Amino acid sequence: DTGVSQNPRHKITKRGQNVTFRCDPISEHNRLYWYRQTLGQGPEFLTYFQNEAQLEKSRLLSDRFSAERPKGSFSTLEIQRTEQGDSAMYLCASSLREGSGGYTFGSGTRLTVV
Amino acid sequence: GENVEQHPSTLSVQEGDSAVIKCTYSDSASNYFPWYKQELGKRPQLIIDIRSNVGEKKDQRIAVTLNKTAKHFSLHITETQPEDSAVYFCAATDSGFQKLVFGTGTRLLVSP
Repeated sequence: DTGVSQNPRHKITKRGQNVTFRCDPISEHNRLYWYRQTLGQGPEFLTYFQNEAQLEKSRLLSDRFSAERPKGSFSTLEIQRTEQGDSAMYLCASSLREGSGGYTFGSGTRLTVV
Repeated sequence: GENVEQHPSTLSVQEGDSAVIKCTYSDSASNYFPWYKQELGKRPQLIIDIRSNVGEKKDQRIAVTLNKTAKHFSLHITETQPEDSAVYFCAATDSGFQKLVFGTGTRLLVSP
């Protein structure tokens, strides 16, 4: 287990299509976070899980976004009916538990909506 | 909710000089303050962090200071090298200590 893994690394999709990204956290980490990063900005929080429970979802997040972590291991982030404004880097991170320290980030999935 | 502001947005220094990046946060209950380095096209990586019960922490050429009264913390890099060139992000925990809120980043350029 060498770190947080995200797939795919790049995704180009046409506007209106649905896309799904996957994140495999470090195995012993029970917290998993999704962030979005646009050029020149810091990571923006989307949602996070403690084991399989989704504990918080950003108020800025459209209903077109949904995330799951069905068995408390890997997570998926789905965007329905993609829009050009969804183009960004989607970062996944994991941590051992609340208050234990910083995140370990994955390499991200770069989404381009054309 | 927590708000983190970071300055400057861009910082250019000569190799060997020191660099200082400053962040302020809004929630006095925040208790954990990490710094991340992100090289072009790569993932953010944790380089140093500090907790609210400590005023300063040092790791070789990098150090972080925290002033809880003023609600600001700073990253100090001494003897900068070209490989220090990257974007640096500060972060702070939100009021429920459940997630990190990030600053907007500082692009550091170290010229040989």
